[in-house]
Amino acid sequence: AQSVAQPEDQVNVAEGNPLTVKCTYSVSGNPYLFWYVQYPNRGLQFLLKYITGDNLVKGSYGFEAEFNKSQTSFHLKKPSALVSDSALYFCAGLDSNYQLIWGAGTKLIIKP
Amino acid sequence: GAVVSQHPSRVICKSGTSVKIECRSLDFQATTMFWYRQFPKQSLMLMATSNEGSKATYEQGVEKDKFLINHASLTLSTLTVTSAHPEDSSFYICSARAGLVAYEQYFGPGTRLTVT
Repeated sequence: AQSVAQPEDQVNVAEGNPLTVKCTYSVSGNPYLFWYVQYPNRGLQFLLKYITGDNLVKGSYGFEAEFNKSQTSFHLKKPSALVSDSALYFCAGLDSNYQLIWGAGTKLIIKP
Repeated sequence: GAVVSQHPSRVICKSGTSVKIECRSLDFQATTMFWYRQFPKQSLMLMATSNEGSKATYEQGVEKDKFLINHASLTLSTLTVTSAHPEDSSFYICSARAGLVAYEQYFGPGTRLTVT
């Protein structure tokens, strides 16, 4: 079965430190992978996507993600965290029917 | 960029009544729209997929007679929660996909439904 996993329910990072939010995937064919952010009581905002090409994908708000085929991972990263980055982050992948399959979400807390 | 709106952003209704949520693609034509439900501190659950002019395809376990979906035009889809009960209280999010780019979905801001 195709799936996307986010192994961490919550990640705590001090402001100014680098952050990583983990995601692993199991999809058939070439993976199409996405990261979205959700602020409280808001819809999802697209951050970045991997379709093909460079393994390091740059996205919105200074975020980037590294696609690693051998580890089937697509971790979200940012070199220096901001308090305003605190939110819920979702990793998603496209299944063979072009429907998004979602990770469970990771709550990111950036402490001043 | 592509913008999807939802109306209302939040609604409170009494148990037994019906409520309609609208999802509009503002600057593109959406051949496919998706309706999701999100429970507190949980991920999105796909409820149904609708294509313009045809019946929606519901995911397993979603009652199609309770959650009526209409995709009457290329820019509008509606979700009607009929005979709402408190357990229907949730955050409902729609997304829209333009036909030519299969993997790009644009999400609405969500609707918070509270059934009292």
